[in-house]
Amino acid sequence: GENVEQHPSTLSVQEGDSAVIKCTYSDSASNYFPWYKQELGKGPQLIIDIRSNVGEKKDQRIAVTLNKTAKHFSLHITETQPEDSAVYFCAVGNNAGNMLTFGGGTRLMVKP
Amino acid sequence: NAGVTQTPKFQVLKTGQSMTLQCAQDMNHNSMYWYRQDPGMGLRLIYYSASEGTTDKGEVPNGYNVSRLNKREFSLRLESAAPSQTSVYFCASSDETQYFGPGTRLLVL
Repeated sequence: GENVEQHPSTLSVQEGDSAVIKCTYSDSASNYFPWYKQELGKGPQLIIDIRSNVGEKKDQRIAVTLNKTAKHFSLHITETQPEDSAVYFCAVGNNAGNMLTFGGGTRLMVKP
Repeated sequence: NAGVTQTPKFQVLKTGQSMTLQCAQDMNHNSMYWYRQDPGMGLRLIYYSASEGTTDKGEVPNGYNVSRLNKREFSLRLESAAPSQTSVYFCASSDETQYFGPGTRLLVL
């Protein structure tokens, strides 16, 4: 089955700096790559996703890049703010995300 | 539009007790899922239902049963709870994107 590894497990940045979280996956047939943000005591919330027909997608301060050859994708958050502090999960799926395999999560802390 | 709702929010059980976790969605999604979340292990799929009337095992189905009652509702049952089932349980539903509920925190003593 699919294996997803996510790094780093914790990340601390200063407010205004950029944060990058990386994930690798094993199944070359995977074609859907969402990122979720989970705040304390809440369920994961989708923040951005990308499909394998594009290499990069951006939405305001967040962006995701995909390298299908190397089987890795990354989340980039620019101009970080304290409210970006949360746990972020990458996931990998096929067939438009009906089945997802999740990475282990990254705890992002943005220091004011 | 409430999205995905789960009940209860929190539950304490003794070993051997049974309980059912309830999940409902109002987005008319065909697919629904149950995950458990343990520290440092991300989200692991317990069971899923691709459509009303069908259910399939995920990565960690042992000790659980599910029922897809109708298109809106998907319940998870623990017949004889064990301390290893202490976890946070999330229900999700999907069209092309998975949407998660707020979770049920379960403590088995």
